Amino acid sequence: AQTVTQSQPEMSVQEAETVTLSCTYDTSESDYYLFWYKQPPSRQMILVIRQEAYKQQNATENRFSVNFQKAAKSFSLKISDSQLGDAAMYFCAGEYIFGTGTRLKVLA
Amino acid sequence: GAGVSQSPSNKVTEKGKDVELRCDPISGHTALYWYRQSLGQGLEFLIYFQGNSAPDKSGLPSDRFSAERTGGSVSTLTIQRTQQEDSAVYLCASSLWGSYNEQFFGPGTRLTVL
Repeated sequence: AQTVTQSQPEMSVQEAETVTLSCTYDTSESDYYLFWYKQPPSRQMILVIRQEAYKQQNATENRFSVNFQKAAKSFSLKISDSQLGDAAMYFCAGEYIFGTGTRLKVLA
Repeated sequence: GAGVSQSPSNKVTEKGKDVELRCDPISGHTALYWYRQSLGQGLEFLIYFQGNSAPDKSGLPSDRFSAERTGGSVSTLTIQRTQQEDSAVYLCASSLWGSYNEQFFGPGTRLTVL
């Protein structure tokens, strides 16, 4: 991706509830991958989920899933059954271009 | 196996001095990336390597910044004549080659320029 935009600097969710983090992107590539990374406080960045643009089916990894709308260039992350350990910065990325991140707070 | 390591973990320097930051990628990872993360901000891409060559160094903010990679392994990011605005966490990541591969990140080097 050439640009990645995250418009939600911070989000909050109650434990066990569902939250959706938004991301839009722009690219001139015909085939590409998009990623969501998680950066817990004072810990290293790790991959949450990835999506190939050619795949029709939205990617799912346990409680994490994406809503990939190719025509709208939208790539949102849904976290179901939120847990305290999900509290972190979440970054949307296209290869090596990252968004500004969304800080997720999980309320007990 | 060992993950990506970076050294030093913290570096405090005086304005005008040169600094070198080191990254040891995961063995076998041909792609290596450098990012800068200012306090509470996103990741700013600096440069990436495929093997020892740097196809994209467009993110380097000025000619005071340079990077090299030797033997397709260790990489060094050098900042000359440091300025206070260079203060940030510098992150390194490595991956197998291919845009579909996830990046594995190091713990970062926190640089403070006084």
